[in-house]
Amino acid sequence: QSVLTQPPSTSGTPGQRVTISCSGASSNIGSNTVNWYLHLPGTSPKLLIYKNDQRPSWVPHRISASKSGTSASLAISGLQSEDEAEYYCATWDDSLNAYVFGTGTMVTVL
Amino acid sequence: QVRLQQSGPGQVRASETLSLTCTVSSTSIRGYYWSWIRQSPGKGLEWLGYIHYSGRSNYSPALESRVSMSVDTSRNQVSLRVTSVNTADTAMYYCARDGRGGYFGGDFDYWGQGTLVTVSS
Repeated sequence: QSVLTQPPSTSGTPGQRVTISCSGASSNIGSNTVNWYLHLPGTSPKLLIYKNDQRPSWVPHRISASKSGTSASLAISGLQSEDEAEYYCATWDDSLNAYVFGTGTMVTVL
Repeated sequence: QVRLQQSGPGQVRASETLSLTCTVSSTSIRGYYWSWIRQSPGKGLEWLGYIHYSGRSNYSPALESRVSMSVDTSRNQVSLRVTSVNTADTAMYYCARDGRGGYFGGDFDYWGQGTLVTVSS
């Protein structure tokens, strides 16, 4: 349904590196900056990355993000149990004239 | 510490109007854009729209005909109204501050605690 496509799930063992892709189009990712959110069940979402690759002060350096063309990606290195959550990319879509969230990716720590 | 405290009924009857308020503390609503976001059961996050203290607003095309937002600068509050609700509007609703300040960027740095609204038929 969303114009931003993410894999439904990914997993890794503690210490591993996982990446989450966010595929869009020229009207959204291709034209605007991307933000990433972390959402734990029962809590409010948290801003994880803003302006493509900027981390708020509370986010550790092992979490990084990038954008290229009409796609963006989030990388989590040194996976920890506390990283188990749902992750969403988001950006403005010029064609829809709306802010859109990705489909969401559930990260499981095995 | 910036805090967004949401209030409003957790149950609304179908065809009626959903109304929620977000009371902001430790920061002025002036100078920021404020959004409402919801998550229906089993689904992802959905942006409903934003409003600026000046009254400037932009609503999601999917809900534009039924959504309205307002601000009360004297009470430092932002409000959401969704008219003619149906069961598909059952969701957790959040208010959020856009941290960019002068323009909308979708960097929601502070969120309300969420309000679960159930639409009963």
